[in-house]
Amino acid sequence: QSALTQPPSASGTPGQRVTFSCSGSNSNIGSNPVSWYQQLPGAAPKLLIFGNNQRPSGVPDRFSGSKSDTSASLAISGLQSEDEADYYCAAWDGSLSSYVFGTGTKVTVL
Amino acid sequence: QVHLVQSGVEVKKPGASVKVSCKASENTFSNYYIHWVRQAPGQGLEYVGIINPAGGTNYAQNFQGRVTMTRDTSTSTVFMELSSLRSDDTAVYYCTREMTPTQYFDSWSQGTLVTVSS
Repeated sequence: QSALTQPPSASGTPGQRVTFSCSGSNSNIGSNPVSWYQQLPGAAPKLLIFGNNQRPSGVPDRFSGSKSDTSASLAISGLQSEDEADYYCAAWDGSLSSYVFGTGTKVTVL
Repeated sequence: QVHLVQSGVEVKKPGASVKVSCKASENTFSNYYIHWVRQAPGQGLEYVGIINPAGGTNYAQNFQGRVTMTRDTSTSTVFMELSSLRSDDTAVYYCTREMTPTQYFDSWSQGTLVTVSS
């Protein structure tokens, strides 16, 4: 099954804004909502964004999501050291009848 | 609040099968789809499949023919069995839930490490 494409890494200094993408196709991102997950080192993934741009309760508003056509983006503003983690996008793929995940982006706080 | 708790570490030989359990809270078991996702060491997340509250299943193409998901209503537990294990099945296997149908996973379990080695 094909994965959604993310840049392998992104970085910024504390307080900066970092943005990275998640690229898919018409059968997944183009026709279904995108969710984002944060995975801290050694931990299970945690829901960060659902429905393209909605935050669950408890997730800081520094995290925001957007979607356009067959791509989605996650932005982290006011970057903090505790944001160092791996981030994955996900969407349902109608052609595969399966969920697909992004390849993952490792965020480093310099 | 803990919604999903998995069984412990497994070590298996190539060709064997492994059955991982995921015990859900009563509300989760009755009202949520349970999905399985795995993560090989140092790698990304890979979707395995789903079992719904009625017991219906759908498996990702990469696992069809080798994976079976079942549920035990008496213990609110979901099981994922993977057969014909290979070394590249070594991974942490997570169960996660989706409120039907929302298309996102709102709670994840702690994961079960399955190691396949001769």
